[in-house]
Amino acid sequence: QVQLQESGPGLVKPLETLSLTCTVSGGTIDSSTYYWAWIRQPPGKGLEWIGSIYYNEGTYYNPSLKSRVTMSVDTSKNQFSLSLKSVTAADTAIYYCARHRSGFFSPIEYWGQGPLVTVSS
Amino acid sequence: DIVMTQSPDSLAVSLGERATINCKSSQSVAYTPQNKNYLAWYQQKPGQPPKLLIYWASTRESGVPDRFSGSGSETDFTLTISSLQAEDVAVYHCQQYYRTPPTFGQGTKVEIK
Repeated sequence: QVQLQESGPGLVKPLETLSLTCTVSGGTIDSSTYYWAWIRQPPGKGLEWIGSIYYNEGTYYNPSLKSRVTMSVDTSKNQFSLSLKSVTAADTAIYYCARHRSGFFSPIEYWGQGPLVTVSS
Repeated sequence: DIVMTQSPDSLAVSLGERATINCKSSQSVAYTPQNKNYLAWYQQKPGQPPKLLIYWASTRESGVPDRFSGSGSETDFTLTISSLQAEDVAVYHCQQYYRTPPTFGQGTKVEIK
């Protein structure tokens, strides 16, 4: 059973960079089958896909966030990461790391628990 | 972007009764050569991440009770809970994965009447 666990600060100051890491267990991140994703959910609101990454660091980003987002993979640690720069209060959300069911054009099969990240001074 | 619109925003159903949630996409999410609709449904209980229920519009994920069913094609889709149980209280989200960016509906909250 694949498990995902997010880690990173729960509080980020405005205009700084939000950084989160997802550690994968029960499976290997360098599988040629799967894409790995970040999805966020502002409190009480709907889900927004941020981006997805492949083990060879091929990426898809949401155009609405593309200028501020960077995702990376560390296969030696079985982790992938999210960096979102120049954050504002609008970036306050629960941030989930997740795995697609197979390739990029597939639903999300596994989700982390998702920490709330608050942007505030 | 493909816009996903769910209706209603919330509904209250008596235990054992049917619950129906609709999802409409702003453009077709059907890939005709494969006869597949790139549409998924998720269930999200309070304080938990979403859980995949149905994909390809009508394929039930392993372990999902058969009271959950999905139907529809191209732009109009439905999630039906045939006999609502107390543990089905949740927010339900539809998602298209046909075109990037993948997009979700706003969610439908299901409660017990």
